[in-house]
Amino acid sequence: GIQVEQSPPDLILQEGANSTLRCNFSDSVNNLQWFHQNPWGQLINLFYIPSGTKQNGRLSATTVATERYSLLYISSSQTTDSGVYFCAVPKTYGQNFVFGPGTRLSVLP
Amino acid sequence: DSGVTQTPKHLITATGQRVTLRCSPRSGDLSVYWYQQSLDQGLQFLIQYYNGEERAKGNILERFSAQQFPDLHSELNLSSLELGDSALYFCASSREVNTGELFFGEGSRLTVL
Repeated sequence: GIQVEQSPPDLILQEGANSTLRCNFSDSVNNLQWFHQNPWGQLINLFYIPSGTKQNGRLSATTVATERYSLLYISSSQTTDSGVYFCAVPKTYGQNFVFGPGTRLSVLP
Repeated sequence: DSGVTQTPKHLITATGQRVTLRCSPRSGDLSVYWYQQSLDQGLQFLIQYYNGEERAKGNILERFSAQQFPDLHSELNLSSLELGDSALYFCASSREVNTGELFFGEGSRLTVL
């Protein structure tokens, strides 16, 4: 089945810094999502991005489906950006979504 | 607000007991997924339903069972609870089976003492 990797596993930033999170997947996909799990455990949809680039405020995402990766950019990071960022893709054969292991981001004041 | 409703938000119970977690999907979503997240771990897929039928099973224990009702809400039953079952249990829904956008509820935090 499809494998999903995320890098880096952990990231510590000073408030105001920029960062790039990466998601690699082993097979072609017809959709990809990015989620943010905040310190209270809530899973928040960030982007549904099968291909191309999308922007939402300080966050943007790019998926290059032909090269099997997606990038999440966080600019001018804030402490509220802390948490774990997951990417997820549909399972190649099957009926559910496969999640990457996540990138844990800590933004220090 | 994702539109996916989970109850209860918190639950504390004892080993050996049985609990039921409930999920109402977003309006119009036919597919419901259950995930388990133990402390500082990733999301483990448990089971998926589509329009009332089981579609996929993950690493769901035999002590756990689920169903999706005609009104599309779903329940996850956890029985003979053990300390290791303490976790966040998430429900998610999507319009179709494994395409389209996945939306998560706020989770049910289960603590087994």
